[in-house]
Amino acid sequence: QKEVEQNSGPLSVPEGAIASLNCTYSDRGSQSFFWYRQYSGKSPELIMFIYSNGDKEDGRFTAQLNKASQYVSLLIRDSQPSDSATYLCAAITADSNYQLIWGAGTKLIIKP
Amino acid sequence: EPEVTQTPSHQVTQMGQEVILRCVPISNHLYFYWYRQILGQKVEFLVSFYNNEISEKSEIFDDQFSVERPDGSNFTLKIRSTKLEDSAMYFCASSDSGGETQYFGPGTRLLVL
Repeated sequence: QKEVEQNSGPLSVPEGAIASLNCTYSDRGSQSFFWYRQYSGKSPELIMFIYSNGDKEDGRFTAQLNKASQYVSLLIRDSQPSDSATYLCAAITADSNYQLIWGAGTKLIIKP
Repeated sequence: EPEVTQTPSHQVTQMGQEVILRCVPISNHLYFYWYRQILGQKVEFLVSFYNNEISEKSEIFDDQFSVERPDGSNFTLKIRSTKLEDSAMYFCASSDSGGETQYFGPGTRLLVL
């Protein structure tokens, strides 16, 4: 069973601080990893994707991938109240015809 | 910026009725997907579609479900005889290749009474 695990939270972070969201995956064949943001009642919105070991930065967001530890993380710097949402981690494996395997999401609350 | 669109935004139906959910993927994308999300639960994969055929489907996607690309733009999900437990948000997504980013539509909220 291929699984993606996330702590459901809520994770509460003061405004302006760094929010750190974590995700682990069970299938070593996973190739690409995605972080989506989902506001309540809305569809998932892509934040970042990563497929190489190391860090990938885009504005206030940094994705980190460690394939040896089967671990993906998302850092949000200078957190804003508008960052409050559920963050979904998802993985793709080639042998599953590229279907996204989803984590349950971490609810992030940024406190003003 | 191109986006995935879905209609209707909300659908209420009686148990046992057929529903068709419609999606217009991003125009140059080749891979299409349906997901569902029951309220408060995780997103679940239903089916992927490429080259006019299903490439992968989950256990949820039983004989009551079907997908179709009736023309060059639309991608539909049909539920033949809805059940109460089909009530969920249904998301369509598309990508330009198999391992690339999937872009999601706004979803259709289906309520089965």
